Amino acid sequence: KAGVTQTPRYLIKTRGQQVTLSCSPISGHRSVSWYQQTPGQGLQFLFEYFSETQRNKGNFPGRFSGRQFSNSRSEMNVSTLELGDSALYLCASSLDGTGYGYTFGSGTRLTVV
Amino acid sequence: EDQVTQSPEALRLQEGESSSLNCSYTVSGLRGLFWYRQDPGKGPEFLFTLYSAGEEKEKERLKATLTKKESFLHITAPKPEDSATYLCAVQGGGATNKLIFGTGTLLAVQP
Repeated sequence: KAGVTQTPRYLIKTRGQQVTLSCSPISGHRSVSWYQQTPGQGLQFLFEYFSETQRNKGNFPGRFSGRQFSNSRSEMNVSTLELGDSALYLCASSLDGTGYGYTFGSGTRLTVV
Repeated sequence: EDQVTQSPEALRLQEGESSSLNCSYTVSGLRGLFWYRQDPGKGPEFLFTLYSAGEEKEKERLKATLTKKESFLHITAPKPEDSATYLCAVQGGGATNKLIFGTGTLLAVQP
């Protein structure tokens, strides 16, 4: 079966711009979570969406936002990009947010210059 | 505060030399402990989920065990293709479903 698909794989943006990342979960999975991975901080939780509603949110500024559509696909948006936003952004899907079947995509590598 | 600590940070083994990676955790109400493998430039690949102390799971050369305070990932007779970063994460019993990750162990297996 198809895995979690993230697009695009790579992005280069300029400081101050905004960016939108996309995540298509495994078919039947209703929970989508987003993580930021950097060499210094490791994987940090951004937020979780379930049935089009944000269910949990991590400790990130309001510049980071997301949404989920009725087909469970999710987008993440970062506005007013800063150099420190350069990271690998990972999306994970699961049936209901619990550990069973918690599967990650390959990520989007964002570079802010 | 929920926390995960992995050791060692890096490990270099000769092919066939067995070893163990450690994951110590502090969490309120463990709902699951996860092991992932991550290759450079890729997302974490699921290996195991453990739910209660005493549980063990195996897959090829890997075996994961769980106690009330830590988990071990045992690698038996590793091969060069086992080289990767191994990540441990926990899901606690609070309202959030987030996984809390350790910083990983970078494993290099030399032929």
